[in-house]
Amino acid sequence: DTEVTQTPKHLVMGMTNKKSLKCEQHMGHRAMYWYKQKAKKPPELMFVYSYEKLSINESVPSRFSPECPNSSLLNLHLHALQPEDSALYLCASSQEGTGDEKLFFGSGTQLSVL
Amino acid sequence: GQNIDQPTEMTATEGAIVQINCTYQTSGFNGLFWYQQHAGEAPTFLSYNVLDGLEEKGRFSSFLSRSKGYSYLLLKELQMKDSASYLCAVRGPSNSNSGYALNFGKGTSLLVTP
Repeated sequence: DTEVTQTPKHLVMGMTNKKSLKCEQHMGHRAMYWYKQKAKKPPELMFVYSYEKLSINESVPSRFSPECPNSSLLNLHLHALQPEDSALYLCASSQEGTGDEKLFFGSGTQLSVL
Repeated sequence: GQNIDQPTEMTATEGAIVQINCTYQTSGFNGLFWYQQHAGEAPTFLSYNVLDGLEEKGRFSSFLSRSKGYSYLLLKELQMKDSASYLCAVRGPSNSNSGYALNFGKGTSLLVTP
């Protein structure tokens, strides 16, 4: 299994809603990532979890709250988002500790904030 | 910080060869990656270079010169399906809690024409 699975694939939410994005991998990877990608722009790093601990937070607003319940799961909790937060949210994982740290990406959640 | 530059757009003919360049300036270097991304899809891994030289993988090759902060991706025998965005990404330094993050360039949109 070399897949990173993200749900939902599409999400529309209002600015007062609370929603969660979910990501799962069963490759035994110990590093997991959230990236945000606007249309025709490169992915921008948001958070990195390593061994289930948050190791990098790229100054992301607190309305985005990551959670790593175990080594296979990564969530992104959303609350009081703004329309400019509409984007493709990509989850990725990597093995961690090996020489070839390529990232495996999920297909993303396309988020629209109304 | 990291500064990664690559051309915005390129056009090439089916069956031809195209070279996509990437230059970078980083405060810590742990490898350079090339990813392919079709519109609306997740980035997929193409190649990884951490030592100087050429890495060949089928129709795709990637070159790295660490002293020059320079890489290129070479695509041979172009096919229409190669029309996509090509992202150069540099792996940043690890921190004490591990977690290797990739920082992406803006991407090069390649159009392959008949």
